[in-house]
This record gives sequence, structure tokens and C-alpha cells, in this order.
Amino acid sequence: DIQMTQSPSTLSASVGDRVTITCRASQTISSWLAWYQQKPGKAPKLLIYQASSLETAVPSRFSGSGSGTEFTLTISSLQPDDFATYYCQQYDTFSWTFGQGTKVEIK
Amino acid sequence: EVQLVQSGGEVKKPGESLKISCKGSGYFFPSYWIAWVRQMPGKGLELMGIMFPADSDIRYSPSFQGQVTISADMSISTAYLQWSSLKASDTAIYYCARPITGRTGYMDVWGKGTTVTVSS
Repeated sequence: DIQMTQSPSTLSASVGDRVTITCRASQTISSWLAWYQQKPGKAPKLLIYQASSLETAVPSRFSGSGSGTEFTLTISSLQPDDFATYYCQQYDTFSWTFGQGTKVEIK
Repeated sequence: EVQLVQSGGEVKKPGESLKISCKGSGYFFPSYWIAWVRQMPGKGLELMGIMFPADSDIRYSPSFQGQVTISADMSISTAYLQWSSLKASDTAIYYCARPITGRTGYMDVWGKGTTVTVSS
């Protein structure tokens, strides 16, 4: 399996901050990467696919970049609704695998 | 509206069998893959396997091969995940989700999850 490693595991930030989460793949996955947001007690929600394509209706403060083995999710100005856990997922090779998650907490 | 509606939470004893369901609506169920994803308490997301209902093509992630069975009934647009003998370690939330294709595996629609608790 391709291993996906996110950093940091936890991030403390304030409303209005610019936030960046990194995801690294154990081997090259081209741009076959998605990002999800999960709030407590809720199902994951797709934010970004193909490394940088914004899913419909997702606010433009979310953006994704990267290719190969290193990827980033950026929230340009953190909003109260954005405090959640974020996961990356590779779909280059089955079995598709997720990162361990990054929890974005209120500072 | 495209939706995946999952069956309700279950409380079972070790050794019991279980089958949970995921009903698709708002789209042509046979033509889209269905994935099952596990989330153990306080942990991350793990893909268990995927199925294409139209031809019953099923792919299991290595960790789940032989541990669960994925199936579907196209006539009622419903996918299933079943266990023949539950273990305490099967306690988790199980999500069904819809990958775009079997190759393009990001998942744009998710069910709300079924909580399975296995305890003696």
C-alpha cells in the first residue's frame, strides 16, 4: 500500500489565520489526491480532488497544490466553520489510502 | 438530490453475524461504484473495499480481504457490508461512499455512517 503521512497531526489557529496542511506519499502518485473535511459525528466531506480542483460549492478560501509525493491544503483565512479534521487520500493505486488526519483546533 | 442512506446503528455480541446496508437514490445506482470505509473510535479513515453493482466487480483492501463481504442488490439500489462472525475489534463507524469511478477514487457522496458496537 502507498503510505500517506500528514503534518502536523494537530494545528492550533485563530479565525483569520492562513493555515497549511502537508500530505506526503510514500511513492509518486501524480496528482491523484483528494482532501476531505470531517467534523465530529459527521461523515467526511470532499473539498479538493485531483490535487487542486475545488469541489462544487466548497468555499474558495480552500485550495490544494502539489504533485508527485508532496501536497498541501491551504485555508487562506480560517473561519469558525473550518475547525475540523482534514484527511488526504491517494487514489493512484488501489487500495486507496488516507492520511492519519490533521485536527485544526481553536487557538 | 444524490443520497446514500445507511441503516441504523447495531449492537452485537462477539461471534454474531451482521449485514448493514446503504441505499442509493437520485442517480443510476448500477453505474457507480460503492465504497465502504471504516473509522474506528477516535481514529482515521480506512478503505475496506469497493464494488461496481452492474457487474459485481468487487475489490477488497488487503487488510479486509476474507474479513467482510461486500454485495449489492441492484433491484433496490442497495449495497451491503456483512460479517459472519463479529469481533470486538469490529466496533467502528462504517461509511458507504461513492467513488467517481473505479479508477478515479475520490468520493463525492457519503452516507451518514452506521455505528456498529460489538461487546459481550
